[in-house]
Amino acid sequence: ILNVEQSPQSLHVQEGDSTNFTCSFPSSNFYALHWYRWETAKSPEALFVMTLNGDEKKKGRISATLNTKEGYSYLYIKGSQPEDSATYLCAEGPGGYQKVTFGTGTKLQVIP
Amino acid sequence: GAGVSQTPSNKVTEKGKYVELRCDPISGHTALYWYRQSLGQGPEFLIYFQGTGAADDSGLPNDRFFAVRPEGSVSTLKIQRTERGDSAVYLCASSQDREAGELFFGEGSRLTVL
Repeated sequence: ILNVEQSPQSLHVQEGDSTNFTCSFPSSNFYALHWYRWETAKSPEALFVMTLNGDEKKKGRISATLNTKEGYSYLYIKGSQPEDSATYLCAEGPGGYQKVTFGTGTKLQVIP
Repeated sequence: GAGVSQTPSNKVTEKGKYVELRCDPISGHTALYWYRQSLGQGPEFLIYFQGTGAADDSGLPNDRFFAVRPEGSVSTLKIQRTERGDSAVYLCASSQDREAGELFFGEGSRLTVL
C-alpha cells in the first residue's frame, strides 16, 4: 500500500443496520490514523485519532480499531441512523507537526 | 470565533484571473493545512505551515499556486492565472503543535473557474 485507501467508495444501509468500512495505509513510518465525518454543507469533524497498534476507540454507536503492523483500520457503526449519513474520511500522519494524507472517503447513506 | 474561518465561502471567477482564499485558524494553533477537494475525491494535500514557515509545500500542483502565513496566524492561498481545472473546494485546517493532533477544519471555499 503506497497511499491511504478506503473501501467501499459508497454504501446504502437501512436504518437500524450495523455497518463497517475499511481504511488501508502504508504500514512503514506510521504516525497516527485519523477518522473524520463530513456531513454535507458542513466541515469535516474528527471522530478518532489513534496511534497504537491494537487501539480501539468508541464514541456512542461508532467505534474504530487499528492494526499498524498490517496497515488497516476499521470503522464500525452500530444501529445506523439517518443522521449518520455522511462521508467518512480516514487519514494518516502525525497531525500537528507534519503532513496528513487523506483517503478518498466512504459515502454512507442510511435509508429510513 | 471558536472555529476555523474561511472566506469567501464561494468564489466564481473567469479563466485567467487571480484569486485569493483566506483562512483564519483557531487561536493558538501553530499548524495550518490547505487541502483541495474535487468532486468524488478525498482532500488532496497542498501545503502545511508550522508557524510562519511552509514546512511542506510538496502538494502545490504548480507555480501558479502560492500560500503565505506572514504572522503565523491567518493564511492566504493565492492562485494566479486560474484554469477551469482549479475548480474545487479548498479546505483549510489547523491543529495544535503536538503529535497526533486532530485537524479542525473550516467549511471550505468553493472556487468555480468559468
